[in-house]
Amino acid sequence: AQTVTQSQPEMSVQEAETVTLSCTYDTSESDYYLFWYKQPPSRQMILVIRQEAYKQQNATENRFSVNFQKAAKSFSLKISDSQLGDAAMYFCAYRSYSLISSGSARQLTFGSGTQLTVLP
Amino acid sequence: NAGVMQNPRHLVRRRGQEARLRCSPMKGHSHVYWYRQLPEEGLKFMVYLQKENIIDESGMPKERFSAEFPKEGPSILRIQQVVRGDSAAYFCASSPGAASYEQYFGPGTRLTVT
Repeated sequence: AQTVTQSQPEMSVQEAETVTLSCTYDTSESDYYLFWYKQPPSRQMILVIRQEAYKQQNATENRFSVNFQKAAKSFSLKISDSQLGDAAMYFCAYRSYSLISSGSARQLTFGSGTQLTVLP
Repeated sequence: NAGVMQNPRHLVRRRGQEARLRCSPMKGHSHVYWYRQLPEEGLKFMVYLQKENIIDESGMPKERFSAEFPKEGPSILRIQQVVRGDSAAYFCASSPGAASYEQYFGPGTRLTVT
């Protein structure tokens, strides 16, 4: 079974600065997806960024980028030019890739989350 | 283009009562996932359904919990004889097909058991 670990329960960053959130995972699969989700106080889960394991290039979405280290099974999220609206709980998640995988492989496996505070 | 809808958003039940949580997937989506988020924790998978079929219920507690996704109408997560430990946020997500990597989440139902 896959596991996802987020070792930073809380992080803080000054507005306009850069912050990196860490995530490691354990899997025996070679193909998979990794995600970062944001959960603001409204509790709505919002997809921030996605990475396919077969792609060597790190994904980028505006101010959000990832550092994907497949051999190390590490998937960190970098938020540049932090804004007050970035304050939220951030979850790292894993999903198997196989198109013909069994039902159990299609679920998302989440880490325990990192609470990000943005200081004005 | 409505997103995933869940109702009610908040539900209070006394111990021993039944809780029914509803999820309407996005239009055109026939796959539904239910997740539970206990306080201060991440989301944990419970069950994966397609229309009229339970595909994977490996995350569901063996007793008191059941789920369905009928041909017509929303998916229902049912918790019988609720206990305080069932207090949590329950999220539904939908996807258009089995091969789709992305799951679109609803706003969640916060269940409080008193």
